[in-house]
Amino acid sequence: GNSVTQMEGPVTLSEEAFLTINCTYTATGYPSLFWYVQYPGEGLQLLLKATKADDKGSNKGFEATYRKETTSFHLEKGSVQVSDSAVYFCALGQGNTPLVFGKGTRLSVIA
Amino acid sequence: GAVVSQHPSRVICKSGTSVKIECRSLDFQATTMFWYRQFPKQSLMLMATSNEGSKATYEQGVEKDKFLINHASLTLSTLTVTSAHPEDSSFYICSARDAGGLDSTPRFSSGANVLTFGAGSRLTVL
Repeated sequence: GNSVTQMEGPVTLSEEAFLTINCTYTATGYPSLFWYVQYPGEGLQLLLKATKADDKGSNKGFEATYRKETTSFHLEKGSVQVSDSAVYFCALGQGNTPLVFGKGTRLSVIA
Repeated sequence: GAVVSQHPSRVICKSGTSVKIECRSLDFQATTMFWYRQFPKQSLMLMATSNEGSKATYEQGVEKDKFLINHASLTLSTLTVTSAHPEDSSFYICSARDAGGLDSTPRFSSGANVLTFGAGSRLTVL
């Protein structure tokens, strides 16, 4: 079945550091890929998405490129801020089935 | 954009009582809603798929008699935790997928619509 593997955290970075959170997936066919963010005490919010190979999703300075050859969708940001501290979930979706989530990566950014 | 409202956001109850959590899609119709449970170490577990007008589909290991799901309309699904015990304490999150009504949420080539999540409900059972 479909699955998502993302790097385990927690990840602690200083403000303005470069962020990479790795995500790889296993799926048949051509899934859509998502990154969701969960701020402390809140639900999940869609951060960005990509629906086909080589698509790049971007939002709020975050980017992720759908790489079919490496089955990856790594999340990157060039300069993180304290306000980016949150848990980040990589997810995969196909058709009308429920999303499959990775286990989440907690990011802490310190000033 | 699409908004999902979840209520209550926090609830504390005594062991043995039942608690109802509501999930509403505010500006779109959702024939399908999903209920997730988030455990302390972050991971999200899909509990069930709630289908409007029919019985919910439960994931393996989830007790359907304990976690009652009712999806009575295109904008409302409820999760009732019956006879709650301390081990049921958790963060419950619902999500909904636009059925293609008034909302402008785009549909993707793969057919996988974006899920919109509620803010979650933290249940504490004493």
